Amino acid sequence: DAGITQSPRHKVTETGTPVTLRCHQTENHRYMYWYRQDPGHGLRLIHYSYGVKDTDKGEVSDGYSVSRSKTEDFLLTLESATSSQTSVYFCAIGQQGSNTEAFFGQGTRLTVV
Amino acid sequence: KNQVEQSPQSLIILEGKNCTLQCNYTVSPFSNLRWYKQDTGRGPVSLTIMTFSENTKSNGRYTATLDADTKQSSLHITASQLSDSASYICVVSRPGNNDMRFGAGTRLTVKP
Repeated sequence: DAGITQSPRHKVTETGTPVTLRCHQTENHRYMYWYRQDPGHGLRLIHYSYGVKDTDKGEVSDGYSVSRSKTEDFLLTLESATSSQTSVYFCAIGQQGSNTEAFFGQGTRLTVV
Repeated sequence: KNQVEQSPQSLIILEGKNCTLQCNYTVSPFSNLRWYKQDTGRGPVSLTIMTFSENTKSNGRYTATLDADTKQSSLHITASQLSDSASYICVVSRPGNNDMRFGAGTRLTVKP
């Protein structure tokens, strides 16, 4: 899995509570990404980072924030979880617009009840 | 609109048979096209990546083709195995660092 670890792997939380998902890489990649995957949809970009403290929004960023205080860690926070944020979340590394490899983590299954 | 459409949505074949999965896209401008395999409960794993100038690329029993003029790609799986059961995802990138467009995938089931 190219040195990418997501935690937790599974989480159930209540509506309105904050949740933080962690992505840790050991590949020293500059670029890191958070996606969500829902049935019938392709993966959709939430936020991405192009360096420490450098982040930008993706296609479905509403309700999510991110932080990257060091190269190896990229955190995704749901400030106040909603049922529509029930999904599988994937972290990825690699420069995705280039012709080089992009690697994905194992995913975090989040259920908001 | 920058879309990636895959067909069929799902497919069941017998072990040992061949199959072809389709990907049509409207993404523009084009940087590259990737095929990923995603096993249940795991993240996607890259099979092939093709740039504009490449029209075929193989990875073992997997062969991807690309027709950039018609904006179509296919993934051909030869002599299928039970372990090929997975979702196969077509991804088209535009130039830049944050613009990969994902298809919804084809769910392949290989039966003994």
